Amino acid sequence: GAVVSQHPSWVICKSGTSVKIECRSLDFQATTMFWYRQFPKQSLMLMATSNEGSKATYEQGVEKDKFLINHASLTLSTLTVTSAHPEDSSFYICSARGPGSATEAFFGQGTRLTVV
Amino acid sequence: AQSVSQHNHHVILSEAASLELGCNYSYGGTVNLFWYVQYPGQHLQLLLKYFSGDPLVKGIKGFEAEFIKSKFSFNLRKPSVQWSDTAEYFCAVRAGTSYGKLTFGQGTILTVHP
Repeated sequence: GAVVSQHPSWVICKSGTSVKIECRSLDFQATTMFWYRQFPKQSLMLMATSNEGSKATYEQGVEKDKFLINHASLTLSTLTVTSAHPEDSSFYICSARGPGSATEAFFGQGTRLTVV
Repeated sequence: AQSVSQHNHHVILSEAASLELGCNYSYGGTVNLFWYVQYPGQHLQLLLKYFSGDPLVKGIKGFEAEFIKSKFSFNLRKPSVQWSDTAEYFCAVRAGTSYGKLTFGQGTILTVHP
């Protein structure tokens, strides 16, 4: 299957700082990228959907000013957690899919964020 | 909005036992259905998917799933599990009008004892 790479795999940051997570599709053009958050022992919760070149669509309850998503190219999307707080500590996962209704989404390896 | 329910949080089996993990969804329209597996320390991998056609879908590593539309179910099965199947399994649904976003079940942890 296609490869989606996330960077970094883990990051520790201080409260109040911002953290940027990158999601790249390595061998296909990702017209749509999704950002999920996974709490311990819970399922993946969709945070937002982004289409290349347009603003992201956020799920209800997700603060768009706190979780900034940029999808400037067909191979790269970024999630920036601004003014991070300890409660933002979580596992963030991106997925990407190409054009067409019958395509599957491929997942990155996830980023473990710890805010201290 | 669609939702997905997985029946078991944690399943413990011995090697060679048969496996069935339940998954039910709530959505009245056209759906695509997926099972993903997450091995310890690794990213999500697709096991199998159903889009249309034969409701019995075969995936990788000997897994299969059956879509029963009348029951809104998509249960995952494997006749004989191995120790290497120890992982967390997620059922996911993509509604026909959702532009690709997946709704995941809460996951089922499978532990297989050798």
